[in-house]
Amino acid sequence: GENVEQHPSTLSVQEGDSAVIKCTYSDSASNYFPWYKQELGKGPQLIIDIRSNVGEKKDQRIAVTLNKTAKHFSLHITETQPEDSAVYFCAASIGDSGYALNFGKGTSLLVTP
Amino acid sequence: KAGVTQTPRYLIKTRGQQVTLSCSPISGHRSVSWYQQTPGQGLQFLFEYFSETQRNKGNFPGRFSGRQFSNSRSEMNVSTLELGDSALYLCASRPTTQDEQFFGPGTRLTVL
Repeated sequence: GENVEQHPSTLSVQEGDSAVIKCTYSDSASNYFPWYKQELGKGPQLIIDIRSNVGEKKDQRIAVTLNKTAKHFSLHITETQPEDSAVYFCAASIGDSGYALNFGKGTSLLVTP
Repeated sequence: KAGVTQTPRYLIKTRGQQVTLSCSPISGHRSVSWYQQTPGQGLQFLFEYFSETQRNKGNFPGRFSGRQFSNSRSEMNVSTLELGDSALYLCASRPTTQDEQFFGPGTRLTVL
């Protein structure tokens, strides 16, 4: 079936460095691509999203890029801080409904002081 | 505004039993989706309800079912539990006019 591949599965960076997480998707009808942050014991929290008619979106230290032709999208976190440590998930809409999501397997990000 | 609430937070059942999980969406949200999260498979879409109608369904067996009430609260039911059903079950609600889904804290189900 349709799926989302996410890499790397773990990422360790020093405080202040940048972190990049990459995802690819297979459903050509997908048009909504959110990124979620999940902390221990909590549900996923949306940190940024992008629609297929946009190539890049930025929100303070977080940016997402989308290459619809290549079917891949990436999350960029700059000036990382210890509180950025969490598991990050990318997702792609199942078809163009936007209501149901296929998730990547997650990236465990550790930011060391 | 209160977030998505899920009850119970933790549940232990034995194989063969059935279980019902509850989700109360954010006030005003009419769409509720359910996801199963496991270490091996990650987050997988179960189904989505809008105005008491199931609009989307993931690739799960018929043992997994759900419903939504007129007040938008939703329940999911798993019958004839198997060990592999042990997971964190997440509920997410969404405003009608936006794509963003707001997740609850989940119900941790353990099947022994």
